[in-house]
Parts: sequence; C-alpha cells; structure tokens
Amino acid sequence: DVVMTQSPLSLPVTLGQPASISCTSSQSLVHSDGNTYLSWFQQRPGQSPRRLIYKVSNRDSGVPDRFSGSGSGTDFTLKISRVEAEDVGVYYCMQGTHWPRTFGQGTKLEIK
Amino acid sequence: EVQLVQSGAEVKKPGESLKISCKGSGYSFTSYWVGWVRQMPGKGLEWMGIIYPGDSNTRYSPSFQGQVTISADKSISTAYLQWSSLKASDTAMYYCARGSSSFDYWGQGTLVTVSS
Repeated sequence: DVVMTQSPLSLPVTLGQPASISCTSSQSLVHSDGNTYLSWFQQRPGQSPRRLIYKVSNRDSGVPDRFSGSGSGTDFTLKISRVEAEDVGVYYCMQGTHWPRTFGQGTKLEIK
Repeated sequence: EVQLVQSGAEVKKPGESLKISCKGSGYSFTSYWVGWVRQMPGKGLEWMGIIYPGDSNTRYSPSFQGQVTISADKSISTAYLQWSSLKASDTAMYYCARGSSSFDYWGQGTLVTVSS
C-alpha cells in the first residue's frame, strides 16, 4: 500500500495566522493518465469529512479561497492563508492513484 | 442535490451479522463509484473498498478483504456494507462516499457498536 505521511500531527495556530500541512507519499502519485490524484479533506468535530481540494490544487465549490493546495510527485501541501475559528478540526490527505486508496494519519488543527 | 443517506446506528453482539446501507440520490447512481471508510473511536480515516453500482465491480483494501462484503442494488440506488460475524474491534463509525480517485460527497455516517 502507498503510505501517506502527514506533518505535523498537531497544529496549534493563532487566529488570523497562516497554517501549513505537509503530506508525503511513499510512491509518486502521478497516474498513467497524467493526473495526480491527491485530495485534502476537513473533518470538523462531530461531522462527516468534507473534501476541500482535489487533484492537488483544485478547490471544491464553496470552499473559501484561503485554502490552497500545491505539490507534485510525492510531496504535497495544504495551506490556510489566515486561520478562522471554523477551521478547527482534523485534516486528511488521500491518494487516489494507486490501489488501495489510502489516507494520511490526520493533522489536528486547534486555535492557540 | 447529491445526497448519500446512511442507515441508523446499530448495537450488536460479537458473532452477529450486520448489513448497513447507503442510499444515493440526486445523481445517476450507476455512473459513480461508492466507497466505504472506517473511523474507529478517536482515530483516523481508513479506506475499506469501493463498488461501481453499474456493473458491481468491487475493489477492497487488503486490510478488509474477507472481513466485509460490499454490494449494491442499483434498482434502489443503495450500496451496502456487511459483516457475517462481528467482532468487538468492528466498533466504529462507517461512512459511505461517492467517487473512486477521490470522494466528493459523503454520507452522515453509521455508528456500529459491537459489545457483549
């Protein structure tokens, strides 16, 4: 299985400050069709996960533009330009290139 | 509006069987993969497997192959996750979600509690 490694696992952030989460895969996520299937999900406390980003950098409808994704190959990053209170939760990366699909361990974002 | 609506919470005893469901609406159910994700108490997300309701093509994670069965009834736009003999370690929240290379819509989750 492709191992997805996130860091940090805990991320205390001051309101209004930026935040960054790293996700590294054990194999390249470039698919034979040329796409890179790396997604980011947010799970707020007590809620189902919600997708924020797909194919590395494409923001889902309704996702604030303070969220952005970047990266290539095996190294990917989710950035929040200015953290708001509603961003508290756990963030997961997921690869959709190889079988089986796999998630990162999750990064818990909290307000300092 | 795309929706995935899951069946309600279950409390079962070890050794019992169980089948939980996920009903899709607002889109062509047979044209999208539906997957299942486990979340054990206080833990992260685990990809279990997916099914393409159009032809019932199914892929499992090796970690779950043989432990669960994923199926679908396209006539009622519903996917299923079932166990033949539950264990206490199956206690978790189970989510269904739409997609294969990524999950764009998620169900509300079904809490399964297995306890003697």
